[in-house]
Amino acid sequence: QKEVEQDPGPLSVPEGAIVSLNCTYSNSAFQYFMWYRQYSRKGPELLMYTYSSGNKEDGRFTAQVDKSSKYISLFIRDSQPSDSATYLCAMSANNAGNMLTFGGGTRLMVKP
Amino acid sequence: GAGVSQTPSNKVTEKGKYVELRCDPISGHTALYWYRQSLGQGPEFLIYFQGTGAADDSGLPNDRFFAVRPEGSVSTLKIQRTERGDSAVYLCASSWGQGIGTGELFFGEGSRLTVL
Repeated sequence: QKEVEQDPGPLSVPEGAIVSLNCTYSNSAFQYFMWYRQYSRKGPELLMYTYSSGNKEDGRFTAQVDKSSKYISLFIRDSQPSDSATYLCAMSANNAGNMLTFGGGTRLMVKP
Repeated sequence: GAGVSQTPSNKVTEKGKYVELRCDPISGHTALYWYRQSLGQGPEFLIYFQGTGAADDSGLPNDRFFAVRPEGSVSTLKIQRTERGDSAVYLCASSWGQGIGTGELFFGEGSRLTVL
């Protein structure tokens, strides 16, 4: 079993919908949680970064971390066709870029 | 450009050949990372440089893989005796410091390696 599990999708939604993307993990030592967006044939780009449990909001994006359930979520409000991409969760036990463990990614398609 | 630059963007080679992949990080970034992303998977860590030295090479799969960063800027990932299983996108990232909280990792677009 992988340390970080993520439904690969694809997830198809109409424009304007609220999107919920999720990851589960098994390593209770993880404290740093990130969401990356990756367009086709591009590198991942950081969307959200959260330390420990709680919520963080940035524009249309909200990240939630529930360490007790080992479950993290990314919500996208008023989804746009330009949000169509693969969303990768990533996490780390320490504050080190060389120790990131990524999920496999969820492919999202927002249809106009 | 201002971003992380990787060359070549695509490389097709035959099994057993030697391959070099180059990464030019964002100017001033001291930390440089190589990750590998197989089809349908998330990136997996290979090696991390702080300055010129490899601070962590625990992700390199075997001794066919080697990376250098001689002047603390450009890095080259070298793969000897390539195998079909080496086919993947090799991603390079850089950051100001090691810590995630000190600055995000900026990824390049990757070098797509296909071993026939």
